[in-house]
Amino acid sequence: AQSVTQLGSHVSVSEGALVLLRCNYSSSVPPYLFWYVQYPNQGLQLLLKYTTGATLVKGINGFEAEFKKSETSFHLTKPSAHMSDAAEYFCAVSPVNRDDKIIFGKGTRLHILP
Amino acid sequence: DSGVTQTPKHLITATGQRVTLRCSPRSGDLSVYWYQQSLDQGLQFLIQYYNGEERAKGNILERFSAQQFPDLHSELNLSSLELGDSALYFCASSVGKDREHEQYFGPGTRLTVT
Repeated sequence: AQSVTQLGSHVSVSEGALVLLRCNYSSSVPPYLFWYVQYPNQGLQLLLKYTTGATLVKGINGFEAEFKKSETSFHLTKPSAHMSDAAEYFCAVSPVNRDDKIIFGKGTRLHILP
Repeated sequence: DSGVTQTPKHLITATGQRVTLRCSPRSGDLSVYWYQQSLDQGLQFLIQYYNGEERAKGNILERFSAQQFPDLHSELNLSSLELGDSALYFCASSVGKDREHEQYFGPGTRLTVT
């Protein structure tokens, strides 16, 4: 069965510092991997995704993530945090098999300290 | 604005009642997904429709049902409501039937069961 683990339900970083949000998954087959962001009182918005090809994926708002198959990880990073990055971030995995579920992690709330 | 609309924004009802949530996908999108977000369960995938047909099923209870109409809008019906059904219900749409396509989320319907 597929699962997604996001380490840390809350992460605080200073403005201008590196953002690192961790995501590990388990899947019996190569999955699609996603990072979504949710701002207060809004729906989710796709930040980036990995399907095939280059393992370093660049997304919107300066975020990127690297798919590491050997570590079953898909950590999200941003070199320099902005106040506007404060939000909740969700990692999701979806096996290529169409009948399987989309599994979301429990989310990490990112706090930006001035 | 994702282009996905959901109505109503808020819904308050009593236990045992039945409600219908409505979703209009982005123009041109053929897939509709329904999700439930609650504090204790996190974000759960409920069901996916593609061009009017059910494509994938997630953690959808038997008391819940959904359909996608010829004009591609979708409705999620929740019956015999329980307190635990209180949650945010999101609809998302994508252009294709497979998971690698980006999903665009609506603003959600907040359901409160009293």
